[in-house]
Amino acid sequence: AQKITQTQPGMFVQEKEAVTLDCTYDTSDPSYGLFWYKQPSSGEMIFLIYQGSYDQQNATEGRYSLNFQKARKSANLVISASQLGDSAMYFCAMREVSQGGSEKLVFGKGTKLTVNP
Amino acid sequence: NAGVTQTPKFQVLKTGQSMTLQCAQDMNHEYMSWYRQDPGMGLRLIHYSVGAGITDQGEVPNGYNVSRSTTEDFPLRLLSAAPSQTSVYFCASSYSGAAGPTDTQYFGPGTRLTVL
Repeated sequence: AQKITQTQPGMFVQEKEAVTLDCTYDTSDPSYGLFWYKQPSSGEMIFLIYQGSYDQQNATEGRYSLNFQKARKSANLVISASQLGDSAMYFCAMREVSQGGSEKLVFGKGTKLTVNP
Repeated sequence: NAGVTQTPKFQVLKTGQSMTLQCAQDMNHEYMSWYRQDPGMGLRLIHYSVGAGITDQGEVPNGYNVSRSTTEDFPLRLLSAAPSQTSVYFCASSYSGAAGPTDTQYFGPGTRLTVL
């Protein structure tokens, strides 16, 4: 079963507008972490934002914020005031921790965001 | 501080050849991992290590070997390359394998491998 689901293969947004990229997850662990990464056309993976399962407030990092709805198991990324440089693939990921304490990062299939001028 | 480095950036192999993808980090991270990225598949975990001398399998380990003799290095070996291993390979590291709440994985620039 897919543990991270990103239902939007592609999204388009006008420059300076806000956009929400969807991510839902599936886990039975009470302690987990959720991440968003950006992958521009150059290929590198850039960490954007993190949300812990016990965090009381939604995470924010500059123009990025994470709309965390724990009961719905969703962790949507909101990008405010989109810029042309935001055009990239965006991946949602969840950290799983095994009983032995080792961690794995499970990725969704990604959403390709295109910012139009 | 170079972060996570990977070599080579590009590689073309013939079926049956062997090679090692190199990964090194200078952040004193305990946890290191290898992923492969295929179109439409996101990133999938191949192998990971929670510290020197300790490795374990991820989601797609077949055809790959790893070892971790030092904290800094985590090479990925393809013993007999197959066309199905054509992919982009990413190495990543993070501070702790015990998953502290603010831990973050940092990725290398990737290696693009083609197997003919």
